[in-house]
Amino acid sequence: RKEVEQDPGPFNVPEGATVAFNCTYSNSASQSFFWYRQDCRKEPKLLMSVYSSGNEDGRFTAQLNRASQYISLLIRDSKLSDSATYLCVVNVFNDYKLSFGAGTTVTVRA
Amino acid sequence: DVKVTQSSRYLVKRTGEKVFLECVQDMDHENMFWYRQDPGLGLRLIYFSYDVKMKEKGDIPEGYSVSREKKERFSLILESASTNQTSMYLCASSLGQGTSETQYFGPGTRLLVL
Repeated sequence: RKEVEQDPGPFNVPEGATVAFNCTYSNSASQSFFWYRQDCRKEPKLLMSVYSSGNEDGRFTAQLNRASQYISLLIRDSKLSDSATYLCVVNVFNDYKLSFGAGTTVTVRA
Repeated sequence: DVKVTQSSRYLVKRTGEKVFLECVQDMDHENMFWYRQDPGLGLRLIYFSYDVKMKEKGDIPEGYSVSREKKERFSLILESASTNQTSMYLCASSLGQGTSETQYFGPGTRLLVL
């Protein structure tokens, strides 16, 4: 079983729509969770950390469900500039290494 | 702003050549990492370093070695390049104070081995 698994998508949504997707992780003892964003042919950049109580950053909301071992990302009022691949990242074994999902591609169309 | 730079954006090499990929960070970070990224597989950790001259194997170290002689510089070496090492190589660094840290990535090197 992969340490971090994501639905690759693509999710094709119109501007203004809400889009949400999940990722699952293998180790129930994992403590740190993140969403990174990667634009086409660019490097990944941190979008947001995911906290136990859930957290929001503008139009982006991240949730953690420990019981079912998944994290989610919701994007409200999608913009064309939100088109990217979103990488689910977990510190699976609580050390210095991060495990990356293969990414979920989101395309926002006009 | 953290800056991570990589020596080349694109590289074409022949099978059997020795290949050096260099990464430099300017924020005095303790940790540095080398990943490769392939479609459908995500980022996979090759090696990382938590201090000068210290290194640890990641998930896919075979066919690679690394060198960290100075804190700001982390080199990835392909001793004898093979076609299955064609990939995007990403370097990253993090501060080194804990396990919940942001990793900052360089722009990547697209390596093609013919």
